[in-house]
Amino acid sequence: KNEVEQSPQNLTAQEGEFITINCSYSVGISALHWLQQHPGGGIVSLFMLSSGKKKHGRLIATINIQEKHSSLHITASHPRDSAVYICAVRSGGGADGLTFGKGTHLIIQP
Amino acid sequence: GAGVSQSPSNKVTEKGKDVELRCDPISGHTALYWYRQSLGQGLEFLIYFQGNSAPDKSGLPSDRFSAERTGGSVSTLTIQRTQQEDSAVYLCASSLSLAPGFAFFGQGTRLTVV
Repeated sequence: KNEVEQSPQNLTAQEGEFITINCSYSVGISALHWLQQHPGGGIVSLFMLSSGKKKHGRLIATINIQEKHSSLHITASHPRDSAVYICAVRSGGGADGLTFGKGTHLIIQP
Repeated sequence: GAGVSQSPSNKVTEKGKDVELRCDPISGHTALYWYRQSLGQGLEFLIYFQGNSAPDKSGLPSDRFSAERTGGSVSTLTIQRTQQEDSAVYLCASSLSLAPGFAFFGQGTRLTVV
């Protein structure tokens, strides 16, 4: 069973700061997802990664397969980025769906 | 619709009653997942369907929980004799395939057992 650890658990920052959220996992994976959960509960898929780096707007996700580690970065953070960010991994054939980290609760203060 | 649709969005039920939660996946998605998020907890895998294969029920917390997927599309998660600890947001997701599958989530059903 894959163990997924996220850090930090909670993060409060000022608007404009560069944000980094980390995710590490214990077993080789076929894909890693970064998800964003809004205060209302809805979940949005941000990225799916199997290698390298992806960028979408102010969001950047990287993954290091050898080190079993991924990071989500937010540049020029804004209060609307306040949400819970969740890392999820799919191992091998994925018969158990996704394994989720506990999430990082991010608050961006104006 | 364009996304994964779940109903109801909110459900309040009395302890001991049975509830049914519905998920309409994105058309054409063969994989369907149910997850649960209890207050203050991370997402917990419950059950997974892939095409016509037997579902992976390894995450179901007890035999009060069951799920079915009719015609490879709509899925129903049933909780019998609900308990207060069943209170959670139940999320459904679907994807085209296992790998490199990109799962799309519904908005969830918030279940409150009183």
